[in-house]
Amino acid sequence: EVQLVESGGGLVQPGGSLRLSCAASGFTFNKYSMNWVRQAPGKGLEWVSYISSSSVTIKYSDSVKGRFTISRDNAKNLVYLQMNSLRAEDTAVYYCAREDTGEFDHWGQGALVTVSS
Amino acid sequence: QSVLTQPPSVSGAPGQRVTISCTGSSSNIGAGYDVHWYQQLPGTAPKLLIYGNTNRPSEVPDRFSGSKSGTSASLAITGLQAEDEADYYCQSYDSSLSNSVFGGGTKLTVL
Repeated sequence: EVQLVESGGGLVQPGGSLRLSCAASGFTFNKYSMNWVRQAPGKGLEWVSYISSSSVTIKYSDSVKGRFTISRDNAKNLVYLQMNSLRAEDTAVYYCAREDTGEFDHWGQGALVTVSS
Repeated sequence: QSVLTQPPSVSGAPGQRVTISCTGSSSNIGAGYDVHWYQQLPGTAPKLLIYGNTNRPSEVPDRFSGSKSGTSASLAITGLQAEDEADYYCQSYDSSLSNSVFGGGTKLTVL
């Protein structure tokens, strides 16, 4: 069974940093691209970042470019999202999602990130 | 403002049929990129409902179907049930942005 489990969320002050992790199991991790998608309270889904299976291709949304860094460890079946210079508008539930042929076929349960003083 | 446009809400009575539209442009749906649909029940993570415009994962009931034409796509739900009350999102790829994009989401209310 495919499982994605996010961790590392919490409360952080504006300007602070946080690192999210997503632990994958139940599939051959190094064959799949992974994404981070966020959802602000009461709002819709927003794609945040993408990393290809071998980390060769990395993409970010304009809203996080230069502040967030995505990475993965295929030996440990982990994908990370390092978030720096956090702003109030980054407050959201962050989901990691496995990408198959363009669709996000499996999602984690989400990690809540709250940016507030 | 989302790149893909969905109606904010739709509603229908149990047993009825509803459709949810997803309108894009020549850089995403109109360019031939696939459209995918997700269902998000209250308080839960999104779940893949339709992929590749018309395909259903095995666990999704055949009451759900997808279609695509030109720069738009649609999700149809027949035989509405109370458990279908959820938020629905479309997703595709945009060549101008070079990344995945989501619609703003549609809240389905079963009357």
